Amino acid sequence: AQSVTQLGSHVSVSEGALVLLRCNYSSSVPPYLFWYVQYPNQGLQLLLKYTTGATLVKGINGFEAEFKKSETSFHLTKPSAHMSDAAEYFCAVSPTSYDKVIFGPGTSLSVIP
Amino acid sequence: DTAVSQTPKYLVTQMGNDKSIKCEQNLGHDTMYWYKQDSKKFLKIMFSYNNKELIINETVPNRFSPKSPDKAHLNLHINSLELGDSAVYFCASSLGPEGYTFGSGTRLTVV
Repeated sequence: AQSVTQLGSHVSVSEGALVLLRCNYSSSVPPYLFWYVQYPNQGLQLLLKYTTGATLVKGINGFEAEFKKSETSFHLTKPSAHMSDAAEYFCAVSPTSYDKVIFGPGTSLSVIP
Repeated sequence: DTAVSQTPKYLVTQMGNDKSIKCEQNLGHDTMYWYKQDSKKFLKIMFSYNNKELIINETVPNRFSPKSPDKAHLNLHINSLELGDSAVYFCASSLGPEGYTFGSGTRLTVV
C-alpha cells in the first residue's frame, strides 16, 4: 500500500532563508509524486510534479523538488523564503497516472520576518 | 473562469439533516474526486468517478452518496448528518498524470 510521510508537522524559517520540506514515500513501483500548497481557507494548488524523466523538478513560485529513488524521497526546497510562502504543504503519491493520489499529513510552513 | 467550482462554500446545519454539495469542472477532465479534510488538515479520498462511472469508493458511511450526472459534475449527498461529519470537503478533477485541480472547498459544520 502506498503511504507518504512528511517529517515535521510544522517548520519555521526566517525570511530569505532556505526552505526544506521533507517527504518520504513507500511504493512498490516507481510512483508519480506531487507537492501541493494550501493557503488559508483555500483549496490545494499543484506546486510541482514528478512523473518520468528528469529527477529534479521545478515548480511554481521558485520551488523545486528532487526525486531520489534510492532514498524514496521527494524533498521540496526553495532557496529564499518569502512571507507569502507561509502555508500548508502536502506531499502526495500515486502508483500510476490513474490511481488515487495519497496525501501526506502536511507540513505547516511559517516564515518569520 | 473558475476551473473547479463547489457550492456552497459554507454549510451550517443541524444533526440529522440531509444536505448536498455540488461540484462542476470546466476543464474537460475525465476523473473527479471527493476528498475530506479534517480539523488536523489530513486529506482522505472518499470517492472517484471516471466518465460518470464510480471507480473508487473508500470506506465511507452509507450516508454519503455521490452522484455524477455527467463527467463535468460530481455531487455529494449526505443523509442524517452527524457531528463527526464536520470537515472541509474538496472536489477535484484530473486528466491522467497531470495532477489534480481542486475546488476551493465546502466547510461543513454540523451543530
